[in-house]
Amino acid sequence: SQQGEEDPQALSIQEGENATMNCSYKTSINNLQWYRQNSGRGLVHLILIRSNEREKHSGRLRVTLDTSKKSSSLLITASRAADTASYFCATDNNNDMRFGAGTRLTVKP
Amino acid sequence: EAEVAQSPRYKITEKSQAVAFWCDPISGHATLYWYRQILGQGPELLVQFQDESVVDDSQLPKDRFSAERLKGVDSTLKIQPAELGDSAMYLCASSPRLAGGDLSLFFGPGTRLTVL
Repeated sequence: SQQGEEDPQALSIQEGENATMNCSYKTSINNLQWYRQNSGRGLVHLILIRSNEREKHSGRLRVTLDTSKKSSSLLITASRAADTASYFCATDNNNDMRFGAGTRLTVKP
Repeated sequence: EAEVAQSPRYKITEKSQAVAFWCDPISGHATLYWYRQILGQGPELLVQFQDESVVDDSQLPKDRFSAERLKGVDSTLKIQPAELGDSAMYLCASSPRLAGGDLSLFFGPGTRLTVL
Protein backbone atom coordinates (compact mmCIF):
# COMPACT_ATOMS: atom_id res chain seq x y z
CA SER A 1 0.00 0.00 0.00
CA GLN A 2 1.17 3.53 -0.67
CA GLN A 3 1.82 5.98 2.10
CA GLY A 4 1.69 9.43 0.65
CA GLU A 5 -0.20 11.50 -1.80
CA GLU A 6 1.48 14.03 -4.02
CA ASP A 7 -0.17 17.17 -5.23
CA PRO A 8 -0.51 18.12 -7.99
CA GLN A 9 -0.54 14.91 -10.03
CA ALA A 10 0.90 16.83 -12.98
CA LEU A 11 2.60 20.21 -13.33
CA SER A 12 3.69 22.02 -16.47
CA ILE A 13 5.86 25.14 -16.31
CA GLN A 14 8.22 27.19 -18.44
CA GLU A 15 11.98 26.93 -18.11
CA GLY A 16 13.25 29.34 -15.47
CA GLU A 17 10.09 29.19 -13.36
CA ASN A 18 9.91 27.57 -9.94
CA ALA A 19 8.11 24.26 -9.39
CA THR A 20 6.46 23.32 -6.11
CA MET A 21 5.21 19.84 -5.29
CA ASN A 22 3.46 18.77 -2.12
CA CYS A 23 3.28 15.48 -0.29
CA SER A 24 0.98 14.36 2.50
CA TYR A 25 1.43 11.20 4.51
CA LYS A 26 -0.42 9.25 7.16
CA THR A 27 1.87 7.66 9.73
CA SER A 28 4.75 8.78 11.95
CA ILE A 29 8.11 8.97 10.21
CA ASN A 30 11.83 8.96 10.93
CA ASN A 31 12.51 10.95 7.80
CA LEU A 32 11.00 11.90 4.47
CA GLN A 33 12.80 11.70 1.16
CA TRP A 34 12.25 12.90 -2.37
CA TYR A 35 13.17 10.87 -5.44
CA ARG A 36 13.19 11.62 -9.13
CA GLN A 37 12.34 9.20 -11.94
CA ASN A 38 12.98 9.79 -15.60
CA SER A 39 10.59 8.00 -17.92
CA GLY A 40 11.05 4.23 -17.85
CA ARG A 41 14.04 4.37 -15.49
CA GLY A 42 14.79 3.68 -11.85
CA LEU A 43 14.41 6.26 -9.13
CA VAL A 44 17.21 8.55 -8.00
CA HIS A 45 17.47 9.90 -4.46
CA LEU A 46 17.38 13.70 -4.30
CA ILE A 47 17.19 14.82 -0.68
CA LEU A 48 16.34 13.58 2.81
CA ILE A 49 14.83 15.58 5.66
CA ARG A 50 14.64 14.19 9.18
CA SER A 51 11.53 14.39 11.32
CA ASN A 52 13.18 16.95 13.62
CA GLU A 53 14.09 19.26 10.73
CA ARG A 54 11.80 21.83 9.18
CA GLU A 55 13.71 22.89 6.07
CA LYS A 56 16.61 21.68 4.02
CA HIS A 57 18.40 22.91 0.91
CA SER A 58 20.46 21.17 -1.73
CA GLY A 59 21.46 23.17 -4.79
CA ARG A 60 18.23 24.27 -6.50
CA LEU A 61 16.14 22.07 -4.22
CA ARG A 62 14.37 23.23 -1.08
CA VAL A 63 12.39 20.82 1.07
CA THR A 64 10.12 21.67 3.96
CA LEU A 65 8.54 19.32 6.47
CA ASP A 66 5.60 19.97 8.77
CA THR A 67 5.14 16.92 10.98
CA SER A 68 2.09 18.43 12.70
CA LYS A 69 0.31 18.50 9.34
CA LYS A 70 2.05 15.38 8.05
CA SER A 71 3.09 17.20 4.91
CA SER A 72 6.17 18.14 2.93
CA SER A 73 6.92 20.30 -0.06
CA LEU A 74 9.65 20.19 -2.68
CA LEU A 75 10.61 23.40 -4.43
CA ILE A 76 12.78 23.34 -7.53
CA THR A 77 14.03 26.82 -8.37
CA ALA A 78 15.03 28.10 -11.80
CA SER A 79 13.75 24.97 -13.49
CA ARG A 80 15.40 23.51 -16.57
CA ALA A 81 14.07 21.29 -19.34
CA ALA A 82 16.25 18.51 -17.90
CA ASP A 83 14.19 18.64 -14.69
CA THR A 84 11.30 17.05 -16.60
CA ALA A 85 10.58 13.84 -14.69
CA SER A 86 8.29 12.32 -12.08
CA TYR A 87 8.98 13.24 -8.46
CA PHE A 88 8.04 10.98 -5.55
CA CYS A 89 8.06 11.50 -1.84
CA ALA A 90 8.93 8.53 0.35
CA THR A 91 8.46 8.12 4.08
CA ASP A 92 10.83 6.14 6.24
CA ASN A 93 9.25 4.63 9.32
CA ASN A 94 11.87 2.40 10.95
CA ASN A 95 13.34 1.46 7.56
CA ASP A 96 9.89 0.76 6.12
CA MET A 97 10.04 2.89 2.94
CA ARG A 98 6.73 3.81 1.31
CA PHE A 99 6.25 5.97 -1.75
CA GLY A 100 3.54 8.32 -2.89
CA ALA A 101 1.91 8.33 -6.31
CA GLY A 102 4.17 11.06 -7.66
CA THR A 103 3.98 14.39 -9.47
CA ARG A 104 4.72 14.47 -13.17
CA LEU A 105 6.69 17.66 -13.89
CA THR A 106 7.11 18.97 -17.42
CA VAL A 107 9.44 21.91 -17.98
CA LYS A 108 9.01 23.51 -21.38
CA PRO A 109 12.08 25.08 -23.01
CA GLU B 1 30.17 4.57 -9.66
CA ALA B 2 28.59 1.43 -8.23
CA GLU B 3 25.09 0.63 -9.42
CA VAL B 4 22.31 -1.80 -8.72
CA ALA B 5 22.06 -4.28 -11.57
CA GLN B 6 18.82 -5.87 -12.74
CA SER B 7 18.06 -8.34 -15.47
CA PRO B 8 16.34 -8.75 -17.75
CA ARG B 9 15.45 -5.15 -18.58
CA TYR B 10 12.34 -6.24 -20.47
CA LYS B 11 10.28 -9.40 -20.29
CA ILE B 12 7.22 -10.38 -22.29
CA THR B 13 5.39 -13.50 -21.24
CA GLU B 14 2.03 -15.14 -21.60
CA LYS B 15 -0.31 -15.50 -18.67
CA SER B 16 0.14 -18.67 -16.63
CA GLN B 17 3.85 -18.78 -17.45
CA ALA B 18 6.60 -18.43 -14.86
CA VAL B 19 8.95 -15.44 -14.82
CA ALA B 20 12.00 -14.58 -12.75
CA PHE B 21 13.84 -11.34 -12.17
CA TRP B 22 17.35 -10.93 -10.84
CA CYS B 23 18.92 -8.15 -8.82
CA ASP B 24 22.52 -7.55 -7.77
CA PRO B 25 22.73 -4.74 -5.20
CA ILE B 26 25.63 -2.42 -4.63
CA SER B 27 28.45 -4.30 -2.93
CA GLY B 28 28.19 -4.12 0.83
CA HIS B 29 24.57 -3.02 0.92
CA ALA B 30 22.81 -5.09 3.55
CA THR B 31 19.24 -4.03 2.80
CA LEU B 32 17.49 -5.00 -0.43
CA TYR B 33 13.99 -4.08 -1.56
CA TRP B 34 11.74 -5.25 -4.38
CA TYR B 35 9.08 -2.78 -5.50
CA ARG B 36 6.35 -3.03 -8.12
CA GLN B 37 5.40 0.09 -10.04
CA ILE B 38 2.29 0.15 -12.17
CA LEU B 39 2.39 2.74 -14.95
CA GLY B 40 1.44 6.16 -13.63
CA GLN B 41 1.70 5.16 -9.98
CA GLY B 42 4.35 5.15 -7.27
CA PRO B 43 6.43 2.11 -6.30
CA GLU B 44 4.73 -0.35 -3.97
CA LEU B 45 6.86 -2.43 -1.64
CA LEU B 46 6.73 -6.17 -2.25
CA VAL B 47 9.51 -7.47 -0.01
CA GLN B 48 12.42 -6.20 2.07
CA PHE B 49 15.52 -8.17 3.01
CA GLN B 50 18.12 -7.47 5.64
CA ASP B 51 21.07 -9.62 4.63
CA GLU B 52 19.47 -12.99 3.81
CA SER B 53 16.45 -12.55 6.06
CA VAL B 54 13.02 -11.29 5.04
CA VAL B 55 12.12 -8.22 7.08
CA ASP B 56 8.77 -7.45 5.47
CA ASP B 57 6.82 -9.42 2.89
CA SER B 58 3.36 -8.42 4.02
CA GLN B 59 2.50 -6.96 0.59
CA LEU B 60 3.87 -9.91 -1.40
CA PRO B 61 1.11 -12.02 -3.02
CA LYS B 62 2.52 -15.26 -1.71
CA ASP B 63 0.22 -17.51 -3.68
CA ARG B 64 2.14 -16.62 -6.83
CA PHE B 65 5.16 -14.52 -5.85
CA SER B 66 8.35 -15.65 -4.14
CA ALA B 67 11.60 -13.92 -3.35
CA GLU B 68 14.91 -15.11 -2.06
CA ARG B 69 18.31 -13.74 -1.17
CA LEU B 70 20.11 -16.91 -0.23
CA LYS B 71 23.61 -15.61 0.48
CA GLY B 72 22.60 -12.12 1.43
CA VAL B 73 23.93 -10.67 -1.79
CA ASP B 74 21.92 -10.97 -5.02
CA SER B 75 18.22 -11.69 -5.07
CA THR B 76 15.61 -13.32 -7.29
CA LEU B 77 11.91 -12.48 -7.54
CA LYS B 78 9.68 -15.08 -9.14
CA ILE B 79 6.09 -15.04 -10.34
CA GLN B 80 4.29 -18.29 -11.07
CA PRO B 81 1.85 -18.23 -12.72
CA ALA B 82 1.91 -14.73 -14.20
CA GLU B 83 -1.41 -12.92 -14.56
CA LEU B 84 -2.40 -10.01 -16.78
CA GLY B 85 -2.48 -7.69 -13.76
CA ASP B 86 1.19 -8.38 -13.05
CA SER B 87 2.23 -6.19 -15.97
CA ALA B 88 4.37 -3.49 -14.33
CA MET B 89 7.91 -2.28 -13.70
CA TYR B 90 9.71 -4.32 -11.06
CA LEU B 91 12.30 -2.25 -9.27
CA CYS B 92 15.10 -3.45 -7.03
CA ALA B 93 16.74 -1.10 -4.56
CA SER B 94 19.50 -1.46 -2.00
CA SER B 95 20.75 0.52 0.92
CA PRO B 96 23.72 0.49 3.24
CA ARG B 97 23.36 0.72 6.94
CA LEU B 98 23.89 4.41 7.63
CA ALA B 99 25.00 6.14 10.79
CA GLY B 100 22.09 7.69 12.64
CA GLY B 101 19.61 5.25 11.19
CA ASP B 102 18.89 7.21 8.01
CA LEU B 103 18.81 5.25 4.83
CA SER B 104 18.36 6.27 1.25
CA LEU B 105 17.69 3.84 -1.54
CA PHE B 106 19.75 3.17 -4.64
CA PHE B 107 17.53 1.85 -7.41
CA GLY B 108 18.31 -0.36 -10.34
CA PRO B 109 16.95 0.39 -13.83
CA GLY B 110 14.02 -1.99 -13.35
CA THR B 111 12.52 -4.88 -15.29
CA ARG B 112 9.51 -4.01 -17.42
CA LEU B 113 7.15 -7.01 -17.43
CA THR B 114 4.36 -7.36 -19.97
CA VAL B 115 1.94 -10.25 -19.54
CA LEU B 116 -0.11 -11.10 -22.64
